[in-house]
Amino acid sequence: GQSLEQPSEVTAVEGAIVQINCTYQTSGFYGLSWYQQHDGGAPTFLSYNALDGLEETGRFSSFLSRSDSYGYLLLQELQMKDSASYFCAVFVTSSSGSARQLTFGSGTQLTVLP
Amino acid sequence: GAVVSQHPSWVICKSGTSVKIECRSLDFQATTMFWYRQFPKQSLMLMATSNEGSKATYEQGVEKDKFLINHASLTLSTLTVTSAHPEDSSFYICSAWDSFSGANVLTFGAGSRLTVL
Repeated sequence: GQSLEQPSEVTAVEGAIVQINCTYQTSGFYGLSWYQQHDGGAPTFLSYNALDGLEETGRFSSFLSRSDSYGYLLLQELQMKDSASYFCAVFVTSSSGSARQLTFGSGTQLTVLP
Repeated sequence: GAVVSQHPSWVICKSGTSVKIECRSLDFQATTMFWYRQFPKQSLMLMATSNEGSKATYEQGVEKDKFLINHASLTLSTLTVTSAHPEDSSFYICSAWDSFSGANVLTFGAGSRLTVL
């Protein structure tokens, strides 16, 4: 099976930088994704890393180290609207071996204070 | 990017009744869709993989006879919660691979919040 670990809560102030770490144990690993979910809403895609290194998309960046089974999401210039849950998710082969699927971590609740 | 539409967005039903949730890919064809369940303040748990034209693949611990999945066309998958009970109350979300945004992007529907009285 798969297991992912990420902090349950993070609090920061507007304008700050926050890093949310994720470690994973899995087989059939293709890559690491990050999703954002506001209360009551659907998860939305933020980033995907298949190779080691840093991927930057605007204020958000994501990093992967396959050898360390570790990744992180970096949020810069935090805004109030960034308050949400952030999930890391591993992109793996399904248990049947016939398809790709996404398995999510437990999520990190980010609170941005004024 | 692609759009996944899910209906109804919320439903309240009596214990023992069945509830059907629809998931449609609006501008693309989805041979595979995924059904997740999410309890409050918890993660998204994959329930099953819905395969167009064939049987769904259920994750361990998910009752096939209770959560019926039908994927009769390339744009529609349905989840039926049969003989629902209060413990089935949850947020059910469907998703599909978004080929427009990239092969590794999962696009989610808005979710269906089920409350069983």
